[in-house]
Amino acid sequence: AQSVTQLDSHVSVSEGTPVLLRCNYSSSYSPSLFWYVQHPNKGLQLLLKYTSAATLVKGINGFEAEFKKSETSFHLTKPSAHMSDAAEYFCVVSDDGSARQLTFGSGTQLTVLP
Amino acid sequence: SQTIHQWPATLVQPVGSPLSLECTVEGTSNPNLYWYRQAAGRGLQLLFYSVGIGQISSEVPQNLSASRPQDRQFILSSKKLLLSDSGFYLCAWSVGGMWTGYTFGSGTRLTVV
Repeated sequence: AQSVTQLDSHVSVSEGTPVLLRCNYSSSYSPSLFWYVQHPNKGLQLLLKYTSAATLVKGINGFEAEFKKSETSFHLTKPSAHMSDAAEYFCVVSDDGSARQLTFGSGTQLTVLP
Repeated sequence: SQTIHQWPATLVQPVGSPLSLECTVEGTSNPNLYWYRQAAGRGLQLLFYSVGIGQISSEVPQNLSASRPQDRQFILSSKKLLLSDSGFYLCAWSVGGMWTGYTFGSGTRLTVV
């Protein structure tokens, strides 16, 4: 069985400061992990994905995430927040890569303060 | 390039009324198609997926149904809406059953009143 926990429902940062969105997962297999961003009333956009290659994954818009098996974590980071980063972020896990076996986190709302 | 269209963007419907949401994909053939629902404050829940015309799998029992009349068309329906059907509905497509990162539609915000 797989599950994913996004540890913060809301995160606020000031523009220009680092962003950290936390995600912990549980999986019976070697999981595939993903981060998505959703702007208000928009669809989901894939930020980055981990599929058992390099543990440090770089995505779009300056985001990156590190897969840490020992900590069962896949935290999303960005060195410097921009106002346009304000959105909701979802961590997603797939045990076997199957399109049917996906579990979405409950989301983290990121607010960027001027 | 592949694109996915979903409409309408927003919809307000009374309890007991029917529902039809449409999703079409361009630029690809024989995609896997998916309907997700996002309830307020919650993550996404897979409702239906389809691997081909007329082939629908339901992931959760509910008041909704799905149909795939054409290769690149996926429709979400209900005969009688409930208040609990309110939410944000997203269509998505992928190639094959292995997920390397869905492409999602822009979503439909459904409010049942």
